Amino acid sequence: NAGVTQTPKFQVLKTGQSMTLQCAQDMNHNSMYWYRQDPGMGLRLIYYSASEGTTDKGEVPNGYNVSRLNKREFSLRLESAAPSQTSVYFCASIRDRGYEQYFGPGTRLTVT
Amino acid sequence: RKEVEQDPGPFNVPEGATVAFNCTYSNSASQSFFWYRQDCRKEPKLLMSVYSSGNEDGRFTAQLNRASQYISLLIRDSKLSDSATYLCVVNRGFQKLVFGTGTRLLVSP
Repeated sequence: NAGVTQTPKFQVLKTGQSMTLQCAQDMNHNSMYWYRQDPGMGLRLIYYSASEGTTDKGEVPNGYNVSRLNKREFSLRLESAAPSQTSVYFCASIRDRGYEQYFGPGTRLTVT
Repeated sequence: RKEVEQDPGPFNVPEGATVAFNCTYSNSASQSFFWYRQDCRKEPKLLMSVYSSGNEDGRFTAQLNRASQYISLLIRDSKLSDSATYLCVVNRGFQKLVFGTGTRLLVSP
């Protein structure tokens, strides 16, 4: 039981490049989330998916797209990376009626 | 004003000390409350949920005051391993959590 896994762990991009961050969970959770964490800003919600087939914007969705590929997987795509997207990205999942969020280990992204 | 506010610290305490953190939230419709712990460069992990009646888990005690809209965390007999950032988290409904920026705790020998 791996919990929530994320790939890659680290990534360096040049401005304008694109990439997809992958997230998978094996806990049969319905809801999945993408956050970014910046110094002094706390965790901010980018997008979330309440169930397979649905996605909704969070607090800071601009510059990102998501895909809920199936119940297990929720990917985050940066179409044209910008230096302002340098951050640590966390994926999380939650049970339907429970409230604890389980987080993946994070992806450290640097955009130069 | 941020929806969830915490003193960033750091709180520097010696081993064995008692330390308390507070957190205030602005949305009175918030439904549930948590403390998460985050170690340096790691993911957040649930420390404890916070109930209206207050709850205790070993050396940790959490309290909720809905009238004043604040949450507290008390750590007794601090250990070196308690050094971390403590995140106050509020569930405003529809499974959406709002995180505070965290309070950093440093426990020294």
